[in-house]
Amino acid sequence: DQQVKQNSPSLSVQEGRISILNCDYTNSMFDYFLWYKKYPAEGPTFLISISSIKDKNEDGRFTVFLNKSAKHLSLHIVPSQPGDSAVYFCGSTSYGKLTFGQGTILTVHP
Amino acid sequence: SAVISQKPSRDICQRGTSLTIQCQVDSQVTMMFWYRQQPGQSLTLIATANQGSEATYESGFVIDKFPISRPNLTFSTLTVSNMSPEDSSIYLCSVLDVGTEAFFGQGTRLTVV
Repeated sequence: DQQVKQNSPSLSVQEGRISILNCDYTNSMFDYFLWYKKYPAEGPTFLISISSIKDKNEDGRFTVFLNKSAKHLSLHIVPSQPGDSAVYFCGSTSYGKLTFGQGTILTVHP
Repeated sequence: SAVISQKPSRDICQRGTSLTIQCQVDSQVTMMFWYRQQPGQSLTLIATANQGSEATYESGFVIDKFPISRPNLTFSTLTVSNMSPEDSSIYLCSVLDVGTEAFFGQGTRLTVV
């Protein structure tokens, strides 16, 4: 039973436009949500997080939205840049353990 | 932020053999984890490496197949034993320090032939 799902395996966006990456979860015990970015041949790097007591967190071009009633998480990147092209994983924590979605491949075209 | 050194970065191994992956952190951390990413799949937690006691394995993973050591607060190893082609994956160690942000090593890309 997959507790964190990213239903879009890939997303293609034009440079300068907004990228929206989505994530759904089923475990109501998750108390913290994170987004990681992964380039080929590298480990995932932390991007942005949000506590379950908030519904929005912003850091520069990156904003994460949390809709607890819908158990839905989204990452907005605006404006998108070619260097943002990577695999994005959403993750949720419960008792210190991270559970990840399958990842979404974002491609930003110049 | 913690800096994690993981080695080897990649290896090609014969089936039936074992490979030990090392994870070194530049500071003492409370929690260390081992993950696997199979081709086209998400990051899956294998086990939590506990300092001074046996690792805690997730469902579907057993100690005989993935023995883990954690002799101190800065170092851990994961061994992939009696390998088969199905073990071909990227293996990542992760640490969780203050708060809930996790840091990852660069990963070990294992190919079993």
